[in-house]
Amino acid sequence: EPEVTQTPSHQVTQMGQEVILRCVPISNHLYFYWYRQILGQKVEFLVSFYNNEISEKSEIFDDQFSVERPDGSNFTLKIRSTKLEDSAMYFCASSDRADTQYFGPGTRLTVL
Amino acid sequence: QKEVEQNSGPLSVPEGAIASLNCTYSDRGSQSFFWYRQYSGKSPELIMFIYSNGDKEDGRFTAQLNKASQYVSLLIRDSQPSDSATYLCAVNYNTNAGKSTFGDGTTLTVKP
Repeated sequence: EPEVTQTPSHQVTQMGQEVILRCVPISNHLYFYWYRQILGQKVEFLVSFYNNEISEKSEIFDDQFSVERPDGSNFTLKIRSTKLEDSAMYFCASSDRADTQYFGPGTRLTVL
Repeated sequence: QKEVEQNSGPLSVPEGAIASLNCTYSDRGSQSFFWYRQYSGKSPELIMFIYSNGDKEDGRFTAQLNKASQYVSLLIRDSQPSDSATYLCAVNYNTNAGKSTFGDGTTLTVKP
């Protein structure tokens, strides 16, 4: 069964550094998303992406964040100048229609 | 601010019983509704989606939607210890953008 994959599974970085989280969505899906979940808190929407552009973004998704689909398979989330409060699980999701989303296993980001 | 509220839990039921999980949402324009299961440290796993008022059954799971009351529920029949997890309710307002708003989740424990 096709699934969303994410790398790395765990990323540790120093405050102020840049990180890139990578995702490979399900191959025939057209809609891509990033969510995050701070430990013990709810899943929060960051951004949705369709047709090579951002469809919607939340207040969390400020200038520190960017997304890119550099080729036909990868979908990346870049966080510039990481902060302690960016520590969270980051989930990529994809959908073949603009609602039913399938989540990847997540990347645990730890900012020291 | 679009809100999704769930029973705070935790909910504990004996094996074989029916578990009932409830969710209310604030935005009357919400279009689609999802239930995810999340095991500790794992990503959300889609269980059910429902778009129309009424019941939708899939195996041991039944989702119920009442748009007039802004209420969606999930029933799990013949609960098994493997059903022990946190259940997340998610709501999409705009099916084109596909952004999901999640509740805090209800933790279910099924006791053998």
